[in-house]
Amino acid sequence: GAGVSQSPRYKVAKRGQDVALRCDPISGHVSLFWYQQALGQGPEFLTYFQNEAQLDKSGLPSDRFFAERPEGSVSTLKIQRTQQEDSAVYLCASSLVLHSNQPQHFGDGTRLSIL
Amino acid sequence: GDSVTQMEGPVTLSEEAFLTINCTYTATGYPSLFWYVQYPGEGLQLLLKATKADDKGSNKGFEATYRKETTSFHLEKGSVQVSDSAVYFCALILNSGYSTLTFGKGTMLLVSP
Repeated sequence: GAGVSQSPRYKVAKRGQDVALRCDPISGHVSLFWYQQALGQGPEFLTYFQNEAQLDKSGLPSDRFFAERPEGSVSTLKIQRTQQEDSAVYLCASSLVLHSNQPQHFGDGTRLSIL
Repeated sequence: GDSVTQMEGPVTLSEEAFLTINCTYTATGYPSLFWYVQYPGEGLQLLLKATKADDKGSNKGFEATYRKETTSFHLEKGSVQVSDSAVYFCALILNSGYSTLTFGKGTMLLVSP
């Protein structure tokens, strides 16, 4: 597609439920990133993929967070046993390669609300 | 660690006013610098960038100059429009080695007619 596509746009879940957020990056983009954006804050890095390899997951806040990109294209961020503090906008970004000269293109995000 | 500090908002201006949003950074290496803009309900869009000292990034009337001596990358526009109302994020990424984007907290700009 023309841009990074994320679904769903909005997700409401009860505390303790599992959720899955999807990201479809720009075709041909090797690098894929997930960020968490709390209300009134800047995005914070969660994890990075190069093709199907998850090279950095240092930003994942707990072992309840899991991300995958099995075929090097679409990625899924899964949150198990959700907590209220998981409420945030989750942003996905992709770039051609990981390099400071290559801009990251962001999707519109998934707004997750945990009740 | 690397960090970005932006002026707190909201910044409230009348249409055609001059805009400055301050941004300073600390980095463990030599960074590239970016301004992203986020319109309500949307993701981040790259507004402009600069990859080395004294570079000036510009786009849509916005400008920012990479000042290594003051570790700053202030965003300016000579005449703002109502349509510029959005949240603006300053960010950096290191030019060497593995690095991911580090963002400031964002500055909301509200422009009234």
